[in-house]
Amino acid sequence: KNEVEQSPQNLTAQEGEFITINCSYSVGISALHWLQQHPGGGIVSLFMLSSGKKKHGRLIATINIQEKHSSLHITASHPRDSAVYICAVLNTGNQFYFGTGTSLTVIP
Amino acid sequence: DTEVTQTPKHLVMGMTNKKSLKCEQHMGHRAMYWYKQKAKKPPELMFVYSYEKLSINESVPSRFSPECPNSSLLNLHLHALQPEDSALYLCASSQGLGAGGSEQFFGPGTRLTVL
Repeated sequence: KNEVEQSPQNLTAQEGEFITINCSYSVGISALHWLQQHPGGGIVSLFMLSSGKKKHGRLIATINIQEKHSSLHITASHPRDSAVYICAVLNTGNQFYFGTGTSLTVIP
Repeated sequence: DTEVTQTPKHLVMGMTNKKSLKCEQHMGHRAMYWYKQKAKKPPELMFVYSYEKLSINESVPSRFSPECPNSSLLNLHLHALQPEDSALYLCASSQGLGAGGSEQFFGPGTRLTVL
């Protein structure tokens, strides 16, 4: 069993739709990260969370420490949001664990 | 400068070659990381350096040899690789280890092909 599970694995949405990607983890964490990877390889850090909620533009990330669960929301999705979204957690021993990623395709 | 640079972008090598990957950052970060990523898989952590000392080695074969000559530079020396080592090699840096400094900045990666 992976320490970090993401769902869904693949997601196709129409432009403008509200999108939610979920991440559940089984280890004690000190921080959770949401990363975005476009085709071609480059990875961008979107959020680092240890509690509550963060918002950046059309992206919102939430975390529930008690339930060991985080969500990434994209409002008014756009084709340029098409990418792989990866949840990663830093456990209390400074080890990183990555989810398997959610591949998002937004259709115009 | 909020960038992590990696060279080369692409590398093709034979199984008997010796080559090196280079990673550089000038953000004053004291933790640097090497990851290996196969197609359609998440990155796998290989090595972590903290304050120029090897902090984590995730049981990586000895044909991969990391080096951190100073706080801005991280190298990955490659020798006698196998075709299954073909992958995207990503470098990242963060202010430090631990939650407070753990946001990682990634380089664009080196796409390695071993023939």
